[in-house]
Amino acid sequence: EIVLTQSPGTLSLSPGERATLSCRASQSISNIYLAWYQQKPGQAPRPLIYGTFRRATGIPDRFSGSGSGTDFTLTISGLEPEDFAVYYCQQCDISPYTFGQGTKVEIK
Amino acid sequence: QVQLVQSGAEVKKPGASVKISCKASGYTFTEYYFHWVRQAPGQGLEWMGWINPNNGGTNYAQKFQGRVTMTRDTSTSTAYMELSRLRSDDTAVYYCARDRTPGGFDFWGQGTMVTVSS
Repeated sequence: EIVLTQSPGTLSLSPGERATLSCRASQSISNIYLAWYQQKPGQAPRPLIYGTFRRATGIPDRFSGSGSGTDFTLTISGLEPEDFAVYYCQQCDISPYTFGQGTKVEIK
Repeated sequence: QVQLVQSGAEVKKPGASVKISCKASGYTFTEYYFHWVRQAPGQGLEWMGWINPNNGGTNYAQKFQGRVTMTRDTSTSTAYMELSRLRSDDTAVYYCARDRTPGGFDFWGQGTMVTVSS
């Protein structure tokens, strides 16, 4: 099973700041199978990024993804109030299709 | 527009089974795999398995092997997930999600809360 480790667990930032979220895999993953989701309390996960760097429909360009192999990053270039949420990475390369444990982005 | 609409909340006793439905609309049902993901209260996301709605083929996470059954009804564009021998730690929100193919899930149901309590 591929283990995804996200860091940090919590990120305390102010609106307008840049957020950098890390996702590290226990073994190499093909780029096309790495995705990111945003989740707010009481809501289903919202797709943000797929294939490491492709934005899902309707996702603003302040969200960007990068990485390869075992190290992947989600960057939010300037936090808006609606961006404070929990973010999960996921690999769909090898079954079971595991998720990271999440990074909470909270208002400082 | 694509929509996945799940059945309502369930309360079950330990040892019972639960069957959740996920009705799809707005696209051709048989063209995209379905996945089931659960989230225990205050916890992260846990993938349970997928079903190919075209032929009914399945792939379950080893953790759920023997307890989970995923099926589909192409006539109603509905996917189902049944979990048996429920335990208290099965209390969670269960989501269905459509596979983007490749690389992630592009549409999610609203979630179904399952509470297991004596």
